Amino acid sequence: AQRVTQPEKLLSVFKGAPVELKCNYSYSGSPELFWYVQYSRQRLQLLLRHISRESIKGFTADLNKGETSFHLKKPFAQEEDSAMYYCALSPRGAGSYQLTFGKGTKLSVIP
Amino acid sequence: EAGVTQSPTHLIKTRGQQATLRCSPISGHTSVYWYQQALGLGLQFLLWYDEGEERNRGNFPPRFSGRQFPNYSSELNVNALELEDSALYLCASSLTGVATEAFFGQGTRLTVV
Repeated sequence: AQRVTQPEKLLSVFKGAPVELKCNYSYSGSPELFWYVQYSRQRLQLLLRHISRESIKGFTADLNKGETSFHLKKPFAQEEDSAMYYCALSPRGAGSYQLTFGKGTKLSVIP
Repeated sequence: EAGVTQSPTHLIKTRGQQATLRCSPISGHTSVYWYQQALGLGLQFLLWYDEGEERNRGNFPPRFSGRQFPNYSSELNVNALELEDSALYLCASSLTGVATEAFFGQGTRLTVV
């Protein structure tokens, strides 16, 4: 069975400070990892996925298979980054119909 | 293009009653997923429907059920409501089985009193 752990319920940082939202996973196979974001009063939406190796809104995330981690990072936090962030895992290939989410981390950027 | 729409936005029910939640997917999407977002528990996968069939379900009791209609819209039914069923229920839709490309609705807030 797969599991996603986000150890921090709440993370507060000052504007301009670096941000790192932690995500650890357990899965016996080869996973796909994702970060979803939910801004206040908005829908849950995909932020980025590890296979794309992209930077979205200044955020990046690197899959570390040795540490089974997929931490989300941004060098300089902005007030508009305040939101709920969810790390998610999907089995790669067959059975990729299901996402397993972490419990989420609420990021609060202090002006 | 309209996104995933869910109704009602809020629903208040008494313990023991039944609740019906509805979801209309994005046009062209055949898969509908239901998730429960309970306080402190994060998002938990409930059900996946595709082409009118239930394809997979999460670790929830049988009183959580649903169906998908020929137009791909979906209903989630929760029978014999319990207080702990109070949560935000999110629906998402995608092309067949591609959960990772799913778009989410705004959710239905179910409160059981």
